[in-house]
Amino acid sequence: DQQVKQNSPSLSVQEGRISILNCDYTNSMFDYFLWYKKYPAEGPTFLISISSIKDKNEDGRFTVFLNKSAKHLSLHIVPSQPGDSAVYFCAAPAYSGGGADGLTFGKGTHLIIQP
Amino acid sequence: DVKVTQSSRYLVKRTGEKVFLECVQDMDHENMFWYRQDPGLGLRLIYFSYDVKMKEKGDIPEGYSVSREKKERFSLILESASTNQTSMYLCASTSGGMGHGYTFGSGTRLTVV
Repeated sequence: DQQVKQNSPSLSVQEGRISILNCDYTNSMFDYFLWYKKYPAEGPTFLISISSIKDKNEDGRFTVFLNKSAKHLSLHIVPSQPGDSAVYFCAAPAYSGGGADGLTFGKGTHLIIQP
Repeated sequence: DVKVTQSSRYLVKRTGEKVFLECVQDMDHENMFWYRQDPGLGLRLIYFSYDVKMKEKGDIPEGYSVSREKKERFSLILESASTNQTSMYLCASTSGGMGHGYTFGSGTRLTVV
């Protein structure tokens, strides 16, 4: 049973506009969420995270929003740039306690930025 | 700069071969992980390790084993490679805090023929 779900396999956005990537989760025990970005033939790189005690975290062009009651989080990228074209993964620690037991990942959303 | 190095970027092996994938990190991290990434399936955890000589099964350990003889090195072993193990294999490490997540290697694209 998939505990972290990214229901959009791909998303196409025009350069300069806002990209919104969505993620849903089923396990109410998750207390931390992370977003990773992955280019082809490279490993994922950490992008931004959010603790469950917050509802928003911002880092430059990237903002993550968390709605605990809906078990939903989203990543906003403003403005979108060509280098943002990549696969984005949402993840949560498999068990509480800092992620030492592994991260559970969604299936990913392929973001394509159109010129 | 924090680094996780996977020894091979691309590998082609025959069915039935024993395959070793090596991963080394230079950050003195206690925790290391092996994932595989397949299209439409995301990243799935194979094995992980808390410390030297410690290992724990992840979500899909069947057909794999691991070895951690030194803190900086975590090896994934395919005992008898099969075509359904053709995949991108990713090694990661962390100190345990979630502030910066995991650091991943560049991956090994394994093809079993």
